[in-house]
Amino acid sequence: AQSVSQHNHHVILSEAASLELGCNYSYGGTVNLFWYVQYPGQHLQLLLKYFSGDPLVKGIKGFEAEFIKSKFSFNLRKPSVQWSDTAEYFCAVNARGSTLGRLYFGRGTQLTVWP
Amino acid sequence: DAGVTQSPTHLIKTRGQHVTLRCSPISGHKSVSWYQQVLGQGPQFIFQYYEKEERGRGNFPDRFSARQFPNYSSELNVNALLLGDSALYLCASSPASGGGPYNEQFFGPGTRLTVL
Repeated sequence: AQSVSQHNHHVILSEAASLELGCNYSYGGTVNLFWYVQYPGQHLQLLLKYFSGDPLVKGIKGFEAEFIKSKFSFNLRKPSVQWSDTAEYFCAVNARGSTLGRLYFGRGTQLTVWP
Repeated sequence: DAGVTQSPTHLIKTRGQHVTLRCSPISGHKSVSWYQQVLGQGPQFIFQYYEKEERGRGNFPDRFSARQFPNYSSELNVNALLLGDSALYLCASSPASGGGPYNEQFFGPGTRLTVL
């Protein structure tokens, strides 16, 4: 079965600090990878996604993530965080080519950015 | 265009009761998935429906059921509610079923269910 691990449960940063959130997955086949963000009081939104090609993907709001196949990792990064980045971040995977688009989520990382 | 809509926003029930949650997908989307998000955890897959047929089911008891209507809207039903069913129930719509690159899932705001 697929599983996703997010090792940082709560991260606290000051504005302008750099961010890296870890995500590792377990699956025997080829996967699609996603990062979703949930701002306070809002619904889950897609931040970025990786299907194939360049393993460094860029998303909205200055976020990027790098897929390292050998490490089964898809870490999220941002060079300089802002107070408005305070939110919960979820890493997710699904099986590429599957007839079922079922997403497997990690437990999430709560990011708090102090102004 | 309207996004995914869910109703009701909040719901309070007591143990043993039954609940029905509703979801309207984005116009043109034919697939609806349901997820349960317990506080402090990531969303867990419950069901996926595509073209009114169940395509997949997660590890949830038979007390959970769902259906999809001809207009692609969907209902999630939970019978004999337990305290542990308290959670945020999320609906996601996508153009089709499957793990393809153009089949992004768009999430609704969720229904917050509290079981007392």
